[in-house]
Amino acid sequence: DAKTTQPPSMDCAEGRAANLPCNHSTISGNEYVYWYRQIHSQGPQYIIHGLKNNETNEMASLIITEDRKSSTLILPHATLRDTAVYYCIGMFSGGYNKLIFGAGTRLAVHP
Amino acid sequence: KAGVTQTPRYLIKTRGQQVTLSCSPISGHRSVSWYQQTPGQGLQFLFEYFSETQRNKGNFPGRFSGRQFSNSRSEMNVSTLELGDSALYLCASSLQNGFSGNTIYFGEGSWLTVV
Repeated sequence: DAKTTQPPSMDCAEGRAANLPCNHSTISGNEYVYWYRQIHSQGPQYIIHGLKNNETNEMASLIITEDRKSSTLILPHATLRDTAVYYCIGMFSGGYNKLIFGAGTRLAVHP
Repeated sequence: KAGVTQTPRYLIKTRGQQVTLSCSPISGHRSVSWYQQTPGQGLQFLFEYFSETQRNKGNFPGRFSGRQFSNSRSEMNVSTLELGDSALYLCASSLQNGFSGNTIYFGEGSWLTVV
């Protein structure tokens, strides 16, 4: 499983886009990149995942660089409810649904 | 569609006792995994079950065990509880067989306090 590196904390103004970076330089060709977030020690909430193409859903967009060594999660219009710890995780095919969580990025959205 | 359901949500146990936590996956999901979250160690993988078979196990002592039933519901057990076992225990479920690209959904967790 790829080791991922994220900044420990970030700030974002409400209504602006939040761009959360993740480095995963050791990712292998069949590892997906997953993003989860956790609010106030609730269960982690799935956001999005992708392999090599950019992905978008109702919550966020995921931009993966062409060499797949890094990615960016974009919350297009951050709200106060988006304040959470965001985790970027690489999961290996055949990894039996085993997610290896790092420390994540603590995103603070302020008015 | 109901999400991943964990019971109980909160419990307090005494050192030396044992505890059993229950998880009902999303309907149709056959993979269930368990995680422990503590302030010091963060979120750590405990084990994963698929079709009643444990396929992967994290680095935890043998006091931590689990099982999965034929209806995919799962339980985890911690015996001889220690103060350090106080944690949020999270269950997650997934539809498929561990192929990368699955969406894995978490429950709200069971808060265990050992006194």
